[in-house]
Amino acid sequence: AQSVTQLDSQVPVFEEAPVELRCNYSSSVSVYLFWYVQYPNQGLQLLLKYLSGSTLVKGINGFEAEFNKSQTSFHLRKPSVHISDTAEYFCAVSDPFQGGSEKLVFGKGTKLTVNP
Amino acid sequence: DGGITQSPKYLFRKEGQNVTLSCEQNLNHDAMYWYRQDPGQGLRLIYYSQIVNDFQKGDIAEGYSVSREKKESFPLTVTSAQKNPTAFYLCATKLAGGSYEQYFGPGTRLTVT
Repeated sequence: AQSVTQLDSQVPVFEEAPVELRCNYSSSVSVYLFWYVQYPNQGLQLLLKYLSGSTLVKGINGFEAEFNKSQTSFHLRKPSVHISDTAEYFCAVSDPFQGGSEKLVFGKGTKLTVNP
Repeated sequence: DGGITQSPKYLFRKEGQNVTLSCEQNLNHDAMYWYRQDPGQGLRLIYYSQIVNDFQKGDIAEGYSVSREKKESFPLTVTSAQKNPTAFYLCATKLAGGSYEQYFGPGTRLTVT
C-alpha cells in the first residue's frame, strides 16, 4: 500500500525566512499529490495539487511545490514566511493500489511555527 | 452558501454510549469520507462512500458505522465498541473523478469520559 512520510514533525523558522517542508511517498506508480494546511481546530484547506505536466506547482498564499518522480518526493516551499503561516501542513497522495484516485493517504503532518 | 457542515463542533459523551456525528454537504459532490485525527498521527480513513446506499471500510473502521441514504448526508456513529473514541473527526467530500481534490468540513471534537 502507498505510504507518505513527512520527514519533519516540527519546523520552527523566523518571519521572512524561507522554508521547505519535506514529503516522500512510497510508490512511483502514477499518483496525484496534494498539500493541505490546517489551522488550529479547523478543517483542512487545499494549498496546491500536482496532477500532471509541469513539475513545479504554485498554490495559494505564495506556496509552491516540486514533484520529483525519481526521488518520489513532493516538497513544499515558500521563499518568505509570515506569522500567519503558522499551522500544520499535510502531504497527501492518491493510492493506486486501493481505491485508485478516490482515496488519499496522508502523512502525519508538519507543524510550522513562524517566530517574530 | 455552499459547503460542508459538521455538527456539533464539540461533543461530550460518557463511556459506553453510542454517538452520531453529522456531516451534510450542498456541494453536490458524489463521494464523502470520514477521517479521524489524533495528535501526531495525521488523518486516518474510517469509512468512505462514492454513491448513495454504498460505502467501504477504510483503515480503521472497527467500532464505527455509517449510512448514506442521501447524497447530501453521511452520518458517522461511534459505537461503544470503539476502544478509544476521543479524537477530532473530519468529514470530506469529493467530485467523482481522479483529478479532483477532497474538501473538508470544520470537524467535530469528540470527548468520551
